[in-house]
Amino acid sequence: AQKITQTQPGMFVQEKEAVTLDCTYDTSDQSYGLFWYKQPSSGEMIFLIYQGSYDEQNATEGRYSLNFQKARKSANLVISASQLGDSAMYFCAMGPRGSNYKLTFGKGTLLTVNP
Amino acid sequence: DAMVIQNPRYQVTQFGKPVTLSCSQTLNHNVMYWYQQKSSQAPKLLFHYYDKDFNNEADTPDNFQSRRPNTSFCFLDIRSPGLGDAAMYLCATSRQGLGQPQHFGDGTRLSIL
Repeated sequence: AQKITQTQPGMFVQEKEAVTLDCTYDTSDQSYGLFWYKQPSSGEMIFLIYQGSYDEQNATEGRYSLNFQKARKSANLVISASQLGDSAMYFCAMGPRGSNYKLTFGKGTLLTVNP
Repeated sequence: DAMVIQNPRYQVTQFGKPVTLSCSQTLNHNVMYWYQQKSSQAPKLLFHYYDKDFNNEADTPDNFQSRRPNTSFCFLDIRSPGLGDAAMYLCATSRQGLGQPQHFGDGTRLSIL
């Protein structure tokens, strides 16, 4: 069974600063994938970034980077230069690397960016 | 350009009255998913289709059914909605393969009177 833990129910950050959202996971699978999604108050889920368990380098997508520490089973999301539009719920999720059919989501972190 | 489209955005139905939610996609993805998301909770997978193959999660209530008549469309039928079925319902699609992300629609928020 897979489990995702997001220990920060809410986070605050000042505009233009960087913020790290924590995610730890537990799985017995040798091969798996880790995803981060953003959900604004309007409800849609927006894919942000993906990291495969065998990927040597940390994933980056624009202002988003994933700090992947396999031995610690952590996959923290780093958002650089926060913008007001980054205020949203952020979900960490994992699934088997061979297919992403059964994504397991964490409970989410509500990020608020202050002007 | 919406790629996963859910209709309607908001749906109100009466207790026990069947309701159908729809999802269409222009991505030509072979996998489609339905999730239920209650307030302040993570999305919960109800079922998914890999092409026409239907896969039900073990804890999905019998009250929930789905149809996928073709690659582009997928429906969620709730036969006798109860108050506990009020939630956001999210449709998603993906390609099969390594690291393929799921692309979500805007969701349908279902209210039960």
